[in-house]
Parts: sequence; structure tokens; C-alpha cells
Amino acid sequence: GENVEQHPSTLSVQEGDSAVIKCTYSDSASNYFPWYKQELGKRPQLIIDIRSNVGEKKDQRIAVTLNKTAKHFSLHITETQPEDSAVYFCAAYLHNYGQNFVFGPGTRLSVLP
Amino acid sequence: DVKVTQSSRYLVKRTGEKVFLECVQDMDHENMFWYRQDPGLGLRLIYFSYDVKMKEKGDIPEGYSVSREKKERFSLILESASTNQTSMYLCASRRDTTYGYTFGSGTRLTVV
Repeated sequence: GENVEQHPSTLSVQEGDSAVIKCTYSDSASNYFPWYKQELGKRPQLIIDIRSNVGEKKDQRIAVTLNKTAKHFSLHITETQPEDSAVYFCAAYLHNYGQNFVFGPGTRLSVLP
Repeated sequence: DVKVTQSSRYLVKRTGEKVFLECVQDMDHENMFWYRQDPGLGLRLIYFSYDVKMKEKGDIPEGYSVSREKKERFSLILESASTNQTSMYLCASRRDTTYGYTFGSGTRLTVV
């Protein structure tokens, strides 16, 4: 079936360093890719998204890149801070999945002070 | 801001009980979803609804049913709760298929 792979499953970085999380998807018709951040005990919140007509989108310290040919997209966080520590989920909108999102399994990011 | 409200934050139920989890959104969203979240398994879709009185099965519908009598409310029903349904349940809504989800705060259900 359709799926979204996400790597790494855990990531530890020093405060101030960059973090990169990568996802791959299987449906070449996918055209919308959101990223969610879930802090401990809280709801997942949309932090950035990208549509298939662009290759990169930035919002302050976070950016997302999309390579449609290779069917992968990545989240980049620069100048990481302790409050960036959370679980991050990527998702891909799949036409062949009832027009719903399939989520990656998540990446637990720890930013060490 | 869109608000998606789940009626209970924590719930403890006994095996065999019928359990209702309620979700209400206040932005006239068409689409609503129920997920369960378990460590190592991520978010798994249980049921979704694109309109009033409409429902579709997700990946893991067994043991669950849903009801959408009004646009703003989407209920998840555990017909006869079992211990393997102990989980975090997340409701989500979106305006339509071109938008991302807004999630509720979740209901942590424990079945004993």
C-alpha cells in the first residue's frame, strides 16, 4: 500500500546546530506535504507545508525542500533551541488513499543545551 | 483560530463497556478524522467523514464505529472496549482536501 517513510526515528543535536529530517513517499500524484510538531502531551501542530509546485519554502528557522522526481521531502531546522525538542511527523496527501494524508512514523528530536 | 475540541482528556473504562469519544470543531470544516496514536506506530487512521452522515473506514476500523449527525461533531464509538484499545485518540478536521489538518488535544483512553 501507500506509505511514507521517515528518517531518522530519533535525532539528538547540540543547541545551535541544524537538524534535518527526511521523508519519502510512494504516490507520484501526491501534491501537498505538511509537517507537524508534537510536544510532549500536546496535540500535533502544523508548522510548515509545501505544495508540489515549489521546491523549497522557508519560515524563519525552519524550511522544507521537496524533490518530486525522487519523491522525497525534508525538514530543516537551523539554530536549534531546546524548545524545538518534540516529535516531528511528515505527511503526504495521497489521492489513492481516499484523498487523505498518510503520516510518517515520526522523529523524536532532542536539542541538548 | 480553528478549534477542535475533544470532550475528555483522560478516560478510564472497563473491558466490555461501550465508549463514546466526542469531537467538535467550530470552523464549518467538511472533513473530520479519528486517529489513534501508539508508540512506535505513529498515527493510524480509524475512520473519516467528508460530510454529514457520511463515513469511510480507515486503516484500522475493527472494533470501532463513528457517527456524524451534525457537521461540527464527529463521534468515535468503541462498541465493546478491549484492553488493546488503550491508546491516545486524536480527532482532526480540515476545510477540504487542499488543506492540512487541525488536531484536537487528544483523549488518552485506558481500558482496564
